[in-house]
Amino acid sequence: TQLLEQSPQFLSIQEGENLTVYCNSSSVFSSLQWYRQEPGEGPVLLVTVVTGGEVKKLKRLTFQFGDARKDSSLHITAAQPGDTGLYLCAGAGQAGTALIFGKGTTLSVSS
Amino acid sequence: NAGVMQNPRHLVRRRGQEARLRCSPMKGHSHVYWYRQLPEEGLKFMVYLQKENIIDESGMPKERFSAEFPKEGPSILRIQQVVRGDSAAYFCASSPYTGGRVTEAFFGQGTRLTVV
Repeated sequence: TQLLEQSPQFLSIQEGENLTVYCNSSSVFSSLQWYRQEPGEGPVLLVTVVTGGEVKKLKRLTFQFGDARKDSSLHITAAQPGDTGLYLCAGAGQAGTALIFGKGTTLSVSS
Repeated sequence: NAGVMQNPRHLVRRRGQEARLRCSPMKGHSHVYWYRQLPEEGLKFMVYLQKENIIDESGMPKERFSAEFPKEGPSILRIQQVVRGDSAAYFCASSPYTGGRVTEAFFGQGTRLTVV
């Protein structure tokens, strides 16, 4: 059974701080996605990483896929209150199979 | 450019009734996934469907739950004889998966089922 472990589970920081959240597994994934979910809404896709060692940037967010394609990290620079939400990583063991999700990191950024 | 549409957004059922949740995928998407979310438990995979075909139902309870994605019309998740433990947010996602290495899913806003 494939599992994705996310850490930390909760993170509460001040505006302007930097943070990193992690997504780890003992399994290899063909691709890995990061989503952000706000209360009462569905998850919104932020990025997809495919190649081991790949780094993608989305404004203040930097996503990295581990060399062995088993883990990933999300780094946010100068966090803002608008970054508050639940960050979920998801992976598919093989292309075309359903995505398996981690339990998420709940981020709270206060001004 | 409509996204994934789910209805209803909120559904209240008494114990023993049936719940029908609908999902219309994004235009051009032929793959649909259903997930259940409980607070602090993340998204749990239930079932993966293509048009007229169930690809993977390993996450769906064997009793009372069923899903379909007909040739025409939305995908339906049906829960018969609901119990309080079925109360949760149910999300549908669709994918344009065409055989490549990447599986990306785009989610609807969910249906919040409350069993009273």
